Formats: sequence, structure tokens, C-alpha cells
Amino acid sequence: ETGVTQTPRHLVMGMTNKKSLKCEQHLGHNAMYWYKQSAKKPLELMFVYSLEERVENNSVPSRFSPECPNSSHLFLHLHTLQPEDSALYLCASSQGSTKSETQYFGPGTRLLVL
Amino acid sequence: GQNIDQPTEMTATEGAIVQINCTYQTSGFNGLFWYQQHAGEAPTFLSYNVLDGLEEKGRFSSFLSRSKGYSYLLLKELQMKDSASYLCAVRDSGNTPLVFGKGTRLSVIA
Repeated sequence: ETGVTQTPRHLVMGMTNKKSLKCEQHLGHNAMYWYKQSAKKPLELMFVYSLEERVENNSVPSRFSPECPNSSHLFLHLHTLQPEDSALYLCASSQGSTKSETQYFGPGTRLLVL
Repeated sequence: GQNIDQPTEMTATEGAIVQINCTYQTSGFNGLFWYQQHAGEAPTFLSYNVLDGLEEKGRFSSFLSRSKGYSYLLLKELQMKDSASYLCAVRDSGNTPLVFGKGTRLSVIA
């Protein structure tokens, strides 16, 4: 148990659907992250929030919209996705967003876009 | 730019020792991490190196040479449960998030 939970664990959606991924961390951390993991590709950082403020946005398409209402919760809102967006979406948290802070990952949401 | 290279796949025998290499090219350096990821599961933290040398933690050790842009993860007394992907990740400056390599898929066979 890593202290980071994600729901749902699996999601199938059509290209016209709107859905949201949820992440919750129970570790008292101040930073939270969204990553995308596609087959045979490195983990790709999408967004970073530190103390509920977005500090990193790696040129992610606008069809992905993050929300961080408080330091324990992170959402990724999805709309009009493409089949190439099918991947494992991982949430992580760390004490801070700098230097040696270890990131703790959630189990991920496996997304399939049809 | 940033580039992290590690072998795609490796196979080793139960009870043996395996070394997984990682080379990196980044504009700066502020730490290197190794993560283990079993199929269908989240990555879990294994080790952190910021100074040159070897860090040992049980059956796992991690080595860093900053001048060579090189690290390795050493796994001793391999067990079947060590079959997983091993991810090398680098932070190139104090305030940037991690950059991950593609991972090395290790298969441990009897």
C-alpha cells in the first residue's frame, strides 16, 4: 500500500465522452503529479501541482484538464480524447517538488479510447 | 536536451546477479532514482543517488558516476519476484521533476 489511490482502475470511453480520473494521497504530501505511460515509451510527465498550484504543464493537449482542489486530491478531466490517448495514467505525490523528494505512485488508471 | 538510455530487456537466472545500466545526458544533475514496476502495477521507489559511489540496500545496490553520466542497478540473489521493469529517472536541476528512461524489462528464469 503506497498511500496513493486512483479511481477508476480501468476506463473505456468513446471519443465524444467526458470522464474524470481521480487521485487521492494519504501521505500528507504537498506535490502531486500526473504521468502518462504508453507501451514501449518512457513515463511522460503531464502536470505537476505544488501546494495546489500548477507548476508544470508539459505541452499537454487541452483535451486533458487537471484540477487540484486541495493538496490531497488531484483530478484529470478528459474530453474528446483520441485513440492514441489510450494508456496507463499514473498519479504520484511527493513531500515537495524539488531535489531528493521521492515520488510515490498510485496504481494507475488504464484508459482505452475507442 | 535530456536523454536517458537503458537496455530494453534482460534475462537472468534465479539466484544469479544482474546489472542494469543507465546512461544519461542532461543539462544539469540533481539526483538519479531507480524504480521497480511490476506488470500492471505502480512504480515503487528503490534507490536514490546524488553523489558518486555505491548505495547498498539489501539485495539491491545502485551505483553512480556523475562524470560519466552513468548509473547501474545491481540485483543479487535473484528471485522470480524480481521479474519486473526497472526505471531509471534523473532530475536535471533542483526544481524540475523527474525524467524517466523507457525502462528495462527483467525476466528471471529458473
